[in-house]
Amino acid sequence: AQTVTQSQPEMSVQEAETVTLSCTYDTSESDYYLFWYKQPPSRQMILVIRQEAYKQQNATENRFSVNFQKAAKSFSLKISDSQLGDAAMYFCAYRSASTGTASKLTFGTGTRLQVTL
Amino acid sequence: GAGVSQTPSNKVTEKGKYVELRCDPISGHTALYWYRQSLGQGPEFLIYFQGTGAADDSGLPNDRFFAVRPEGSVSTLKIQRTERGDSAVYLCASSPGTGVRSGANVLTFGAGSRLTVL
Repeated sequence: AQTVTQSQPEMSVQEAETVTLSCTYDTSESDYYLFWYKQPPSRQMILVIRQEAYKQQNATENRFSVNFQKAAKSFSLKISDSQLGDAAMYFCAYRSASTGTASKLTFGTGTRLQVTL
Repeated sequence: GAGVSQTPSNKVTEKGKYVELRCDPISGHTALYWYRQSLGQGPEFLIYFQGTGAADDSGLPNDRFFAVRPEGSVSTLKIQRTERGDSAVYLCASSPGTGVRSGANVLTFGAGSRLTVL
């Protein structure tokens, strides 16, 4: 079974600064997908960024980028130019690419990000 | 609809009662998922539907939990004889479907139903 570990329960960053959230995962599979989701107090999970394991290039979405290290099974999220609206819980998630088991996302326990003035 | 809709937003019940939580997915999404999120934890998978059938119900904790999706759109999560440990936020998500490389499909989540069992 796959597991996802987020070792930082809470992080804090000043507005306009950069912060990196850590995520490691354990799997015996070679083909899979990794995601970062954001959950504000409204509870609705919002996709931040997605990475396909077969792609070596790190995914980027505007101020958000990842550092995907497949051999180390590491998938960190970097938020640049942090904004007050970035304050939320961030969850790292894994999904198998195997047909038949591609159904579910496995989530980590989350990192609460605070953004200060 | 434009998004995934979940009702009720909040539900308070007494231990031993029966509850139903409803999920209305995005129109046309064939895949539907239920997750449970306890306080301070990440969402835990409960069940996944592809169309009307439960393709994977391995996350249901016990036989008090049951979910249906009779017409392949709206789904209902049913909890019998509720216990205090069932208190959590129940999240529903939908996505366009499954198949090769479909794991890249993004799940769109609803805002969840917060269940409190007294």
